[in-house]
Amino acid sequence: NAGVTQTPKFRILKIGQSMTLQCAQDMNHNYMYWYRQDPGMGLKLIYYSVGAGITDKGEVPNGYNVSRSTTEDFPLRLELAAPSQTSVYFCASSSDRLEQFFGPGTRLTVL
Amino acid sequence: QKEVEQNSGPLSVPEGAIASLNCTYSDRGSQSFFWYRQYSGKSPELIMFIYSNGDKEDGRFTAQLNKASQYVSLLIRDSQPSDSATYLCAVRISDYKLSFGAGTTVTVRA
Repeated sequence: NAGVTQTPKFRILKIGQSMTLQCAQDMNHNYMYWYRQDPGMGLKLIYYSVGAGITDKGEVPNGYNVSRSTTEDFPLRLELAAPSQTSVYFCASSSDRLEQFFGPGTRLTVL
Repeated sequence: QKEVEQNSGPLSVPEGAIASLNCTYSDRGSQSFFWYRQYSGKSPELIMFIYSNGDKEDGRFTAQLNKASQYVSLLIRDSQPSDSATYLCAVRISDYKLSFGAGTTVTVRA
């Protein structure tokens, strides 16, 4: 099992550009999450999904969108990138209310 | 008041000593608590969870929970250089969501 995979690993965007961060898991987990982590800060939940076709907002959803068309994939879309979106983005998945498994992260810089 | 608070550190301990990390939370109704370890530049990984008052031991790690005081801690016994990392405390705030603290950075001196 590859676990949770994320692409790309690094990306530099210009202000106003858009991009999609990809996340996939091969553990057949129902629950998937997107977090962002700023330096010296904890993880902030952006969006989450409890199954294909079902998504909901977390703490910091503004400027982001998600979709969940399959159990495996949970892409995060950034529209009109802003410097405040410079961060490390982690995707996670879980099968229950206990352990969340994290992907390796995407380091995004918006200039 | 933040939902989950941790001392940011850094906490520096000599090799072989006990590292003690603390976490407080604001929601008295919280039931499940987690400790994640995050090495620099890497993703978090779960090391322990606890949901009953008292102690839970797993190898060199002990989690302690006191719901009356809204306090959860992590002890690392016989600290090793490989324990140098940031430790994130997380509290379940709803069926599917966790709230994370900012983390405590631990450095184990050889």
